[in-house]
Amino acid sequence: GAVVSQHPSWVICKSGTSVKIECRSLDFQATTMFWYRQFPKQSLMLMATSNEGSKATYEQGVEKDKFLINHASLTLSTLTVTSAHPEDSSFYICSARDDKTGGYNQPQHFGDGTRLSIL
Amino acid sequence: SQQGEEDPQALSIQEGENATMNCSYKTSINNLQWYRQNSGRGLVHLILIRSNEREKHSGRLRVTLDTSKKSSSLLITASRAADTASYFCATDARGFKTIFGAGTRLFVKA
Repeated sequence: GAVVSQHPSWVICKSGTSVKIECRSLDFQATTMFWYRQFPKQSLMLMATSNEGSKATYEQGVEKDKFLINHASLTLSTLTVTSAHPEDSSFYICSARDDKTGGYNQPQHFGDGTRLSIL
Repeated sequence: SQQGEEDPQALSIQEGENATMNCSYKTSINNLQWYRQNSGRGLVHLILIRSNEREKHSGRLRVTLDTSKKSSSLLITASRAADTASYFCATDARGFKTIFGAGTRLFVKA
């Protein structure tokens, strides 16, 4: 089945550091990928829609300059948390739809998430 | 932003019992999906039900959809300890985005 690989799975870093998270579709192409954020015991909140070859679309309240998204190829999207602070600590999850089969009535494929802890 | 509400927020049952989770949403949808998440992991897709469908089965899972009430339910029959997880409904609306409900945390006691 379709696999989305997310890396790293876990990162701890000092306040002020920028952290890059990668999301790769391993066996399919994805023009569109999605980035979610999840706080403990809460649901997934959509942060942005990543579009290959164009600018990402951010949800209301999400800082574009804080969460930089790059979708340079059909199999890779990256989320960079710039100058991270403790309040950015969270679980970040990406997802993607297969361009060939992923129409409106197809589910998304999710990565295993990245747990980010900022000290 | 979240699309819907789920209830109960948490559910604890004995192995072998059935578990029912409900989801309500606010806007018109193309489809509704149910996902499962084990602690600290990504999401696993369980079932997708289209807006013109009323019921769908997959193994021990049964999903219903009532678009007039903007609600859906997920029934897990003969639950197992391994079913312990969080369950989320999600809807595709407003274009291509998938928006998640608040989730139900299910605990199945062996």
